[in-house]
Amino acid sequence: AQTVTQSQPEMSVQEAETVTLSCTYDTSESDYYLFWYKQPPSRQMILVIRQEAYKQQNATENRFSVNFQKAAKSFSLKISDSQLGDAAMYFCAYRPNFGNEKLTFGTGTRLTIIP
Amino acid sequence: DTGVSQNPRHKITKRGQNVTFRCDPISEHNRLYWYRQTLGQGPEFLTYFQNEAQLEKSRLLSDRFSAERPKGSFSTLEIQRTEQGDSAMYLCASSAASVADTQYFGPGTRLTVL
Repeated sequence: AQTVTQSQPEMSVQEAETVTLSCTYDTSESDYYLFWYKQPPSRQMILVIRQEAYKQQNATENRFSVNFQKAAKSFSLKISDSQLGDAAMYFCAYRPNFGNEKLTFGTGTRLTIIP
Repeated sequence: DTGVSQNPRHKITKRGQNVTFRCDPISEHNRLYWYRQTLGQGPEFLTYFQNEAQLEKSRLLSDRFSAERPKGSFSTLEIQRTEQGDSAMYLCASSAASVADTQYFGPGTRLTVL
C-alpha cells in the first residue's frame, strides 16, 4: 500500500522569505503523480503544483517549485517570497498512473506566515 | 468557470439520524470522488464514480454509507444511523476524462453528530 509522510506538522516563515515543506512517500509503482494541495482556513482544497514521476524536470508554478527525488521517494515544496495569503495547511498527495485513481494524502503541514 | 459545489456546507444531527449530502461536479468532468477528512488529518478516500458507475469503494465505507450518481452528473452521499465517529468534513472532488487529470475539490460538508 502506498503511504505519504509529512514529518513537519507546523512550519513558520517570515514574509518574503523562502520555506521548504517536506514530503516522502512509499510505493512500488514506477509511474505515478505527486501533488501539493493547499487548504486555507476556509477549507477548500486548492491544487498548488503537480509532478509526473516520469518527468525528470522539477515542476514550477510561479513562486512554487518542487524538488522531486524519485530514487529517494522525496517530494518537497519550496515557496519563495512568502506572502500572507500562503498561510494554510499544505498536503502532499500521491496517485498511481494506472488502476486505482484515489489520492493518498499525508497528514499535512500547517504553514504560518509571520508579517 | 463554476467549481465543485457541495450542499449543505454544515450539518448538525443527532446520533441515529440519517443525513444526505450533495455534490455538483464541474460540468464537463465525468469522474467524481468522495473523501472524508477528520481534524488534523489529510483526506481519506471513500469512493469514486466514472459517469454513473461506482468503480471503487474504500473499506472505510461501511454498510451505513451509500453513494449514488444516478445520471452521471451530481452525486449524493447518505449516511444512515449516524454515529459520533462519523463527525468529519466530507469532501467531493471531480476530474475530467483522463486518469491523468487533476482532481478539483469542493468546499466540503462539515458533519457534526451529537
